[in-house]
Amino acid sequence: ILNVEQSPQSLHVQEGDSTNFTCSFPSSNFYALHWYRWETAKSPEALFVMTLNGDEKKKGRISATLNTKEGYSYLYIKGSQPEDSATYLCALNDYKLSFGAGTTVTVRA
Amino acid sequence: DTAVSQTPKYLVTQMGNDKSIKCEQNLGHDTMYWYKQDSKKFLKIMFSYNNKELIINETVPNRFSPKSPDKAHLNLHINSLELGDSAVYFCASSQDREQFNEQFFGPGTRLTVL
Repeated sequence: ILNVEQSPQSLHVQEGDSTNFTCSFPSSNFYALHWYRWETAKSPEALFVMTLNGDEKKKGRISATLNTKEGYSYLYIKGSQPEDSATYLCALNDYKLSFGAGTTVTVRA
Repeated sequence: DTAVSQTPKYLVTQMGNDKSIKCEQNLGHDTMYWYKQDSKKFLKIMFSYNNKELIINETVPNRFSPKSPDKAHLNLHINSLELGDSAVYFCASSQDREQFNEQFFGPGTRLTVL
């Protein structure tokens, strides 16, 4: 199981504001980094899978970057909306997923 | 159509009992997984099967026995249930075992051992 740390543990954002949070890892000894979005009472849903240093992925207002040399990935939410409220999980894949504890985002209207 | 389904959604049972949780995926995926969400809300891998073959067994007590009758199903049988087995168990699947494939999760089964 790989070590994955996410920060902050939780954050509150005003509707319309942009935000970002971090997934950090001490070792780049993995094949892919996954981001999942987990809404309350639902199942985790895949957002992005990134494999290369410098990868950038975007889906609507949400985007992510990967820096394997410095050991982090950022997830950005532009113009936060109440429906963005969820826990965002980062996971490293070395033939099995090792999940971080997640960042819980609450968007206030 | 539900992509990954689990039954039951809730399971309440006494210590010492044996119980099973079923998982089915209709995505045509080759690889399936069982995860346990622990008390600190971490998702931790327990088992993975690829085309009915066990490929990951993550130091889980042998009271837990997965069974894959075909590649669309992965069931989890738990013998002699203990209080510490209380958790939410998630099934997932992916197209194959390649690391860049996203995983699709089921709705979870909340197991409570009394």
